[in-house]
Amino acid sequence: KAGVTQTPRYLIKTRGQQVTLSCSPISGHRSVSWYQQTPGQGLQFLFEYFSETQRNKGNFPGRFSGRQFSNSRSEMNVSTLELGDSALYLCASKRGSNTDTQYFGPGTRLTVL
Amino acid sequence: GEDVEQSLFLSVREGDSSVINCTYTDSSSTYLYWYKQEPGAGLQLLTYIFSNMDMKQDQRLTVLLNKKDKHLSLRIADTQTGDSAIYFCAESIRDDKIIFGKGTRLHILP
Repeated sequence: KAGVTQTPRYLIKTRGQQVTLSCSPISGHRSVSWYQQTPGQGLQFLFEYFSETQRNKGNFPGRFSGRQFSNSRSEMNVSTLELGDSALYLCASKRGSNTDTQYFGPGTRLTVL
Repeated sequence: GEDVEQSLFLSVREGDSSVINCTYTDSSSTYLYWYKQEPGAGLQLLTYIFSNMDMKQDQRLTVLLNKKDKHLSLRIADTQTGDSAIYFCAESIRDDKIIFGKGTRLHILP
């Protein structure tokens, strides 16, 4: 069974631009969560989507948004990029319930210049 | 509040046991997890323990949970160079949220 895939793996953008990251969950998984990982803050939860609806949200500004498609694939968008948005963005999928195991993708490394 | 704390670094000699500790604050945790992250990679689930268990063993890995003290530990027996990575402790709490610690970097000494 294929794992969670994320594209692109690496991205370089400049301040003020916007970016879209993509995540394909494991087949059969309906929940997709996004995390931001930085050396200073560690792993921080962005949001979770389940059946095309946002089910949970972390404490990030409105510049960070996401969506989920009917095939469970998810995209995350960051508008008006800031230097501090440079991070590894991780996506994780699970079947759906709270007790399900979450599996992570390899991440997208975003660098904002 | 919700917080997961773990020490940032641990150095262990090859062949010895590694013990990585973690404390959490939310008593409503349902599951507690240990993830491993190797350089340039995402997080790999190593093992997990349900909150009503005290111990779980899986080959070289032993997880101990002390609910009273809200303390979780991961013991890696016979530590190998391939165990060098960052280990994250995480708890699953209400509203389906998972809270992660900042990770413990395990360094293996020859």
